[in-house]
Amino acid sequence: SYVLTQPPSVSVAPGQTARITCGGNNIGSKSVHWYQQKPGQAPVLVVYDDSDRPSGIPERFSGSNSGNTATLTISRVEAGDEADYYCQVWDSSSDEVFGGGTKLTVL
Amino acid sequence: EVQLVESGGGLVKPGGSLRLSCAASGFTFSSYSMNWVRQAPGKGLEWVSSISSSSSYIYYADSVKGRFTISRDNAKNSLYLQMNSLRAEDTAVYYCARSQMVRGASHDYWGQGTLVTVSS
Repeated sequence: SYVLTQPPSVSVAPGQTARITCGGNNIGSKSVHWYQQKPGQAPVLVVYDDSDRPSGIPERFSGSNSGNTATLTISRVEAGDEADYYCQVWDSSSDEVFGGGTKLTVL
Repeated sequence: EVQLVESGGGLVKPGGSLRLSCAASGFTFSSYSMNWVRQAPGKGLEWVSSISSSSSYIYYADSVKGRFTISRDNAKNSLYLQMNSLRAEDTAVYYCARSQMVRGASHDYWGQGTLVTVSS
């Protein structure tokens, strides 16, 4: 089965840049989607197809994907960005797979 | 405005059954694939099942295959999940989510979820 590995936590000061990684075997050949989930709320799509942003998502959110690692980058981090972030891919052997999630803490 | 509203969750005993519903509005329901994704308390997201726009293609996670059945009624703008032989490990918030394609696409809208608790 296909496994996506995310760091459990990432901490960053306000105004700095947060990078959340998602590791998987040859993930660069797949389309990666990223979701933000705040406590008690449903997930919200923040990046799709590696690097595209849905309407309404700030330009501060960007994505990249190459080799065995996909990355969600949040520039100029704000207190409101504090949340859990999940990556997601589709794999022919495992169907839909989510990473374990990363808790972003804004110091 | 796109809205997805789940219902049907509750407390059920192990081995019991439950049927979840998801009412969709604000978009052409029959043009989109739909999905169920669940989240156990304090845990991450887990894909459960997907159904194509015309119900021609249906997929299940191994963990629910043979016990859960996804279906939809495009005339009623509704998505369903029939859950049988429920186990304690099925306890979770169940979200319905929309996607452009049945496989590989992102889930661009999610409902608020409905809690299913399996306990004696």
